[in-house]
Amino acid sequence: GEKVEQHESTLSVREGDSAVINCTYTDTASSYFPWYKQEAGKSLHFVIDIRSNVDRKQSQRLTVLLDKKAKRFSLHITATQPEDSAIYFCAASDMGYKLTFGTGTSLLVDP
Amino acid sequence: GPKVLQIPSHQIIDMGQMVTLNCDPVSNHLYFYWYKQILGQQMEFLVNFYNGKVMEKSKLFKDQFSVERPDGSYFTLKIQPTALEDSAVYFCASSLGLGGRKAEQFFGPGTRLTVL
Repeated sequence: GEKVEQHESTLSVREGDSAVINCTYTDTASSYFPWYKQEAGKSLHFVIDIRSNVDRKQSQRLTVLLDKKAKRFSLHITATQPEDSAIYFCAASDMGYKLTFGTGTSLLVDP
Repeated sequence: GPKVLQIPSHQIIDMGQMVTLNCDPVSNHLYFYWYKQILGQQMEFLVNFYNGKVMEKSKLFKDQFSVERPDGSYFTLKIQPTALEDSAVYFCASSLGLGGRKAEQFFGPGTRLTVL
């Protein structure tokens, strides 16, 4: 089955800097890659996703890049703010259900 | 935005007892999911459910587990009997569909199950 590795367990940046979180997956059939954010004591909240028919998607300060050849995808956050501090989870799926999650990256943005 | 609710937030039970975890999905959603997260580990897919039936289940979804959504009410995960290794946080999720924007899964806050 699919396996997703999330490479950074913790990431600390200064406010205004960029943050990058990297994930790799194993199943070539995976075609849907969402990212979720979890703030302390709260639910997972969808932030952005990308499908395999594109290699880049941007939404405001968030950009997701997908390299299908390397089976790698990444979340880029520009101009980070303290409220970006949270745990970020990447996930992969072949059809949009049965998400396989990474282990999460705890992002801390220092003001 | 749309919210998924889970009841209770925390449940402590003795090994061998039955437990039912309740999920109130987003009202117009059609697909329902349970995920399990053991402390410090990845969240892992257990099962998904559509139109009154289990669509797919993982190897973590043991014979002691069952799911149902009677009469469109709560989507429930029942474990009978419970084992120590069932201790985890269980997340419920729902989605409108499987393609495009419909595939976005909305998650509840989780139920922390402690089996003693």
